[in-house]
Amino acid sequence: DQQVKQNSPSLSVQEGRISILNCDYTNSMFDYFLWYKKYPAEGPTFLISISSIKDKNEDGRFTVFLNKSAKHLSLHIVPSQPGDSAVYFCAASHIQGAQKLVFGQGTRLTINP
Amino acid sequence: DSGVTQTPKHLITATGQRVTLRCSPRSGDLSVYWYQQSLDQGLQFLIQYYNGEERAKGNILERFSAQQFPDLHSELNLSSLELGDSALYFCASSLVGAGGYTFGSGTRLTVV
Repeated sequence: DQQVKQNSPSLSVQEGRISILNCDYTNSMFDYFLWYKKYPAEGPTFLISISSIKDKNEDGRFTVFLNKSAKHLSLHIVPSQPGDSAVYFCAASHIQGAQKLVFGQGTRLTINP
Repeated sequence: DSGVTQTPKHLITATGQRVTLRCSPRSGDLSVYWYQQSLDQGLQFLIQYYNGEERAKGNILERFSAQQFPDLHSELNLSSLELGDSALYFCASSLVGAGGYTFGSGTRLTVV
């Protein structure tokens, strides 16, 4: 039962353009959502998060949008840079629960010069 | 350096053997989480400990067990290893109530 899904295994974007990574979830109890970035041979690193009371959160080049009715979130990276090439995982949790994060399968983003 | 230390970084062992993976959480973090990532799969939650007590359990096999010690470091024990147990095993830590984790760099286990 995949509660968090990233349906695009990979995405290729030209440098300077916008990268949009998508994530869907099925569990309506989730109320906190995060994006992690992972380089090879390293652990995932936290990128940005959003609470279910918001529909947008911005941090520099990174913006996360949450559509609760559609159970969908997206990560926008503008402008995309070569260093953004990595695997991106979305994750969700029920903040009042055990705080364990449920992760999607990841999307490999490649930024082409 | 994320502050979460995992050892060893790499481990190669034979089927049927037992191994122990070790994790030292970030200073001040009371919760430790173990995740498994197999072959470009997502991160599968195994188990969580908080201040020495088991807090949540995921799809952890009965051949696997974990514990958290009084100094808050944690060990994940994998026994009767099978080829399919080959994976990256990540440990993460957090403060309770914080929504995000800090991950270690993982242990790559290869079962041959």
